Amino acid sequence: NAGVTQTPKFQVLKTGQSMTLQCAQDMNHEYMSWYRQDPGMGLRLIHYSVGAGITDQGEVPNGYNVSRSTTEDFPLRLLSAAPSQTSVYFCASRGGGVGSPLHFGNGTRLTVT
Amino acid sequence: AQTVTQSQPEMSVQEAETVTLSCTYDTSENNYYLFWYKQPPSRQMILVIRQEAYKQQNATENRFSVNFQKAAKSFSLKISDSQLGDTAMYFCAFKFYNNDMRFGAGTRLTVKP
Repeated sequence: NAGVTQTPKFQVLKTGQSMTLQCAQDMNHEYMSWYRQDPGMGLRLIHYSVGAGITDQGEVPNGYNVSRSTTEDFPLRLLSAAPSQTSVYFCASRGGGVGSPLHFGNGTRLTVT
Repeated sequence: AQTVTQSQPEMSVQEAETVTLSCTYDTSENNYYLFWYKQPPSRQMILVIRQEAYKQQNATENRFSVNFQKAAKSFSLKISDSQLGDTAMYFCAFKFYNNDMRFGAGTRLTVKP
């Protein structure tokens, strides 16, 4: 199994540009989420989804959009990139009960200049 | 809101020795889940161990074990017989029923030969 696949692995954007980070999972997990990782702050939740057609905001949602049209895919869109969005982004999914662990993709390092 | 605190930004240990990483959390809930994740230089997030709050017995996984003190809201990770491959960032995480997993800021562990 591929698990959780994120693309691209690295990306450089200029301020004001938009882009979409792709995330796909092949484990038939209902729950998917996006985190950003910044030094000294751990991972912070951006958006999450408990199933196709359902999304909700996490701790730091501003400047990001998500949609969930299928169980497999959960793209993250940056509408107008800002230097404050320079970070490492992780997509994760979870199956089973509420106590099941998250399965993570390998992350995307995004730099906004 | 639940918070997770890792008070040791960096730690080091000699190969084959034992090290303990600290984690405390704040919650008013009674049933929840705690996790330790490892992030090696490859950036991959790897589940190390999981603890259910309603279980009094401390979880163990090979060389990794936890000391779960529910009343003190403490969840430390002990690594026995440390190996060079244990060098990584370690994140403590807390999960309550509402699907949101909260992470600490992380502890960077270096295993010295």
